[in-house]
Amino acid sequence: NAGVTQTPKFQVLKTGQSMTLQCAQDMNHEYMSWYRQDPGMGLRLIHYSVGAGITDQGEVPNGYNVSRSTTEDFPLRLLSAAPSQTSVYFCASKPRQAGEGNTIYFGEGSWLTVV
Amino acid sequence: AQSVAQPEDQVNVAEGNPLTVKCTYSVSGNPYLFWYVQYPNRGLQFLLKYITGDNLVKGSYGFEAEFNKSQTSFHLKKPSALVSDSALYFCAVRPPGNNRLAFGKGNQVVVIP
Repeated sequence: NAGVTQTPKFQVLKTGQSMTLQCAQDMNHEYMSWYRQDPGMGLRLIHYSVGAGITDQGEVPNGYNVSRSTTEDFPLRLLSAAPSQTSVYFCASKPRQAGEGNTIYFGEGSWLTVV
Repeated sequence: AQSVAQPEDQVNVAEGNPLTVKCTYSVSGNPYLFWYVQYPNRGLQFLLKYITGDNLVKGSYGFEAEFNKSQTSFHLKKPSALVSDSALYFCAVRPPGNNRLAFGKGNQVVVIP
């Protein structure tokens, strides 16, 4: 049971390039989400999904796309990278039932630098 | 919308002394409250949570937190800090029936040997 797995761990992009951050979980969790972490701002929600085929925007969705074709995978796409997207990105998952206080589990993070 | 405030940027404490990391929240209804810890270059690790019941919650690594509804607070505490407790601590809140978790900005804890 690997939990939440993110790749790559580190990436440097040039402005305007595109890339995909991969996220996979093996816990059969319906809910998955992407956060970005910036100094002094905590974690901010980018996009989330409550199940395969369903995605929705979070607090800071601009510049990012997601899809959820399977329960296990939730990739985050940067279509045209900008320096403002330099950040640490975390994928997270939990069982869907929101009313039971289920714990969210995080991946190890992806450090992205856009130059 | 829910929000979390962690008023201190950094908490310095001597090894062996009590450690407190403060958190206040704003949310409609009865909240679910969480504490996570992040070590350098690592993901967030779950420490403890308050769902319902006893206001004092015990978690991993000797940490505990007290839910205070009247003060809308959920302060994290440890009776005797260790150097290995030096890390970034995040408080988070989620209202029942809502999947979205709101995080505070985090507190850097530095335990001085």
